[in-house]
Amino acid sequence: EVQLVQSGAEVKEPGATVKISCKVSGYTFTDYYVHWVQQAPGKGLEWMGLVDPEDGKTIYTENFQGRVTISADTSTDTAYMELGSLRSEDTAVYYCVTAYPDIVGSLQLWGQGTLVTVSS
Amino acid sequence: QTVVTQEPSFSVSPGGTVTLTCGLSSDSVSTGHYPSWYQQTPGQAPRTLIYSTDVRSFGVPDRFSGSFLGNKAALTITGAQADDESDYYCVVYMSSGIWVFGGGTKLTVV
Repeated sequence: EVQLVQSGAEVKEPGATVKISCKVSGYTFTDYYVHWVQQAPGKGLEWMGLVDPEDGKTIYTENFQGRVTISADTSTDTAYMELGSLRSEDTAVYYCVTAYPDIVGSLQLWGQGTLVTVSS
Repeated sequence: QTVVTQEPSFSVSPGGTVTLTCGLSSDSVSTGHYPSWYQQTPGQAPRTLIYSTDVRSFGVPDRFSGSFLGNKAALTITGAQADDESDYYCVVYMSSGIWVFGGGTKLTVV
């Protein structure tokens, strides 16, 4: 069974950095992209970026460029999303999403989400 | 910047058929955009329904189907049920390598 298990909720002050993990199991981690998606309270889904775990290459959307770093650790089959210079608007649920089993790389199986609250 | 358009809201009667669409502000949606569709109920993670235009994800009932309608991607739900009342999102792939979500459609079954 494919599972994506994310780390727990975080509370951060403005200006801080948060790093969320996404532990993958049930398939070969390096074979499929892992995406990250933001959902602010009461809002829609926003794609942030992805990592190819095979070679670590990343693609980010302009909206988060410069503040987000997505990475993958193939020794633990875990993807990470680090978001810096946090502001109140970054209060949201963050999802990791694997492309498994789609070789094109679309968003397929979702983690449970991690709530990040930015507040002083 | 690319904008992906969806109807903000839609309603359907129980047992009825509804088609939601997903368009691009400055282009037609095509197979090369690999349009996908997701269903989300409050407090839950999204669930993948359709990917690559018309491929149903594992376990998704055949009441859900994907296609094109004119220059847009479309999600059709036939025989609507009460638990289809959800938010529906599409996402498209852009040649730059990024994926862009639409704003979502809130579907009411009444």
